[in-house]
Amino acid sequence: GIQVEQSPPDLILQEGANSTLRCNFSDSVNNLQWFHQNPWGQLINLFYIPSGTKQNGRLSATTVATERYSLLYISSSQTTDSGVYFCAVGGGSNYKLTFGKGTLLTVNP
Amino acid sequence: GAVVSQHPSWVICKSGTSVKIECRSLDFQATTMFWYRQFPKQSLMLMATSNEGSKATYEQGVEKDKFLINHASLTLSTLTVTSAHPEDSSFYICSARGLLAGAYYNEQFFGPGTRLTVL
Repeated sequence: GIQVEQSPPDLILQEGANSTLRCNFSDSVNNLQWFHQNPWGQLINLFYIPSGTKQNGRLSATTVATERYSLLYISSSQTTDSGVYFCAVGGGSNYKLTFGKGTLLTVNP
Repeated sequence: GAVVSQHPSWVICKSGTSVKIECRSLDFQATTMFWYRQFPKQSLMLMATSNEGSKATYEQGVEKDKFLINHASLTLSTLTVTSAHPEDSSFYICSARGLLAGAYYNEQFFGPGTRLTVL
């Protein structure tokens, strides 16, 4: 199956700083999603981005499918951005997603 | 749009009992639903995939007789943990994809999760 690697595993920032999270995957994909898991466990959909670039407020994402990686950018970070960020990819007709291990982001005031 | 609910949010049960968790798509037709399990400080692991009206497909290592999945309608899937034991304690999350506003979406939408504790 598809292998998904996220980096860095942990990231500590001061409020206002920018950050880049990376997701590498081992095969061609037809689905790539970025999530933020809040402290209560809810997965919040950030982006559906199997290719291309999208932006939503302070967050943006880019997927370069031919080079098998995706990047999530967080600008002007806030303490509420803290939590685990997951990348998940899918490559077959069964629509299954494989999750990376996540990046634990801590934003300090 | 694309809201998925789960019930209950948390449940505590005694060892040997069965527990049923419901997953509902509130504003779209979920042609495919997925069940995941997440242990503390770990990632999500897919347990099974279910298509409406069909038997679920289980991932390797997941006991289908222990984790019974039913997807009888386009808005409801249930996961029943039979004869639960303490090692089944975990966070169970469902997701769904399907028909939204007239188009089929590949994107999955996730429920808020159910925290199961087996004593």
